[in-house]
Amino acid sequence: GAVVSQHPSRVICKSGTSVKIECRSLDFQATTMFWYRQFPKQSLMLMATSNEGSKATYEQGVEKDKFLINHASLTLSTLTVTSAHPEDSSFYICSARSPGTYDDGQYFGPGTRLTVT
Amino acid sequence: DAKTTQPPSMDCAEGRAANLPCNHSTISGNEYVYWYRQIHSQGPQYIIHGLKNNETNEMASLIITEDRKSSTLILPHATLRDTAVYYCIVRLRRGELSFGAGTTVTVRA
Repeated sequence: GAVVSQHPSRVICKSGTSVKIECRSLDFQATTMFWYRQFPKQSLMLMATSNEGSKATYEQGVEKDKFLINHASLTLSTLTVTSAHPEDSSFYICSARSPGTYDDGQYFGPGTRLTVT
Repeated sequence: DAKTTQPPSMDCAEGRAANLPCNHSTISGNEYVYWYRQIHSQGPQYIIHGLKNNETNEMASLIITEDRKSSTLILPHATLRDTAVYYCIVRLRRGELSFGAGTTVTVRA
């Protein structure tokens, strides 16, 4: 149980275009989802926290107008990278909090590798 | 959340126990110790967590010192598939997960 999926797993886009990444909780309802970014050989950095039906809370230094987060349902959150540039190339990982499981812990998706050319 | 200190890397022989230390000297009384691991190019995987008592599950054991200032994750019989970066995180219940650099564990045949 408590599976989180992400789509796509890999995406290559041209500079200036927008890319949408989906994060789904498959067998539980997630009131809170998190988005992380991981550059090569670095640790995960929290970008934003989203609660279903409300605006996302962004970490300091993360541009909310560039990284649009929508958490429209209890099982789906989307991250849209707008006007992507090569420096946005990274591994994007989402996680979902599953209330009632191992102390309200988080389950992580498999990640999305974004390459901007 | 309290910060943690882990060794940057360690090697382990396949079939032997792997003991991964973590220091969290500034942990507060209501913060939990969590362990996650990340296999290359995958999302992190939950391993185990605890507050003050030692814990064991099918993946690992967690030993927390009495003063709670440090802990050890034990993988009882390491396999090649256990090669990963292991993260020790302390957080409040329902708090954010803040990932440090972790320990890169390499299991060798």
